[in-house]
Amino acid sequence: KAGVTQTPRYLIKTRGQQVTLSCSPISGHRSVSWYQQTPGQGLQFLFEYFSETQRNKGNFPGRFSGRQFSNSRSEMNVSTLELGDSALYLCASSFPGFPEGELFFGEGSRLTVL
Amino acid sequence: GESVGLHLPTLSVQEGDNSIINCAYSNSASDYFIWYKQESGKGPQFIIDIRSNMDKRQGQRVTVLLNKTVKHLSLQIAATQPGDSAVYFCAEMGGKLIFGTGTRLQVFP
Repeated sequence: KAGVTQTPRYLIKTRGQQVTLSCSPISGHRSVSWYQQTPGQGLQFLFEYFSETQRNKGNFPGRFSGRQFSNSRSEMNVSTLELGDSALYLCASSFPGFPEGELFFGEGSRLTVL
Repeated sequence: GESVGLHLPTLSVQEGDNSIINCAYSNSASDYFIWYKQESGKGPQFIIDIRSNMDKRQGQRVTVLLNKTVKHLSLQIAATQPGDSAVYFCAEMGGKLIFGTGTRLQVFP
């Protein structure tokens, strides 16, 4: 079956703009989680959604938000972009729980903020 | 504060040898640990997990050891192959999911 799909794969924004990233989980997976990966900070957990509800949240400012739709697809939004938001944003899906059991990651959306 | 660290940023091993990747964690309340492998240009891939009520778990060519006394986690890869070359992350779950910074494993012939 198809893996986790993230779009867009690459994007460039300027400071102050906002961005929306999309994630389509593996069919049947109801948990979707998001991560930020940077060379300096490594992989950091942003948030996790299950059945359209945010169940877990990492230590990121309110500029980072997300949502999940009834078909389990998820989006994350970053408003008022800062240079430090440049990163690879990864999405992962799992069934049934988080983070126990296997998380299936997408290949990520690479965001560059100029 | 809470942190998950790695002793070595880069580990070089010869093909066929065993590899050991180490990880220290600081949250004694963490009850679930996971190892991930990330190849260049790809997302992380689950390797193996272990709960805090265990001290060892084996998979195919991989073994995870958990020492709760010293808050140490290790990943052992037997008969390391070129395809094992990647960055390896440990992660802990103790209310929050926290990842280590990663160790790059390089396998040379």
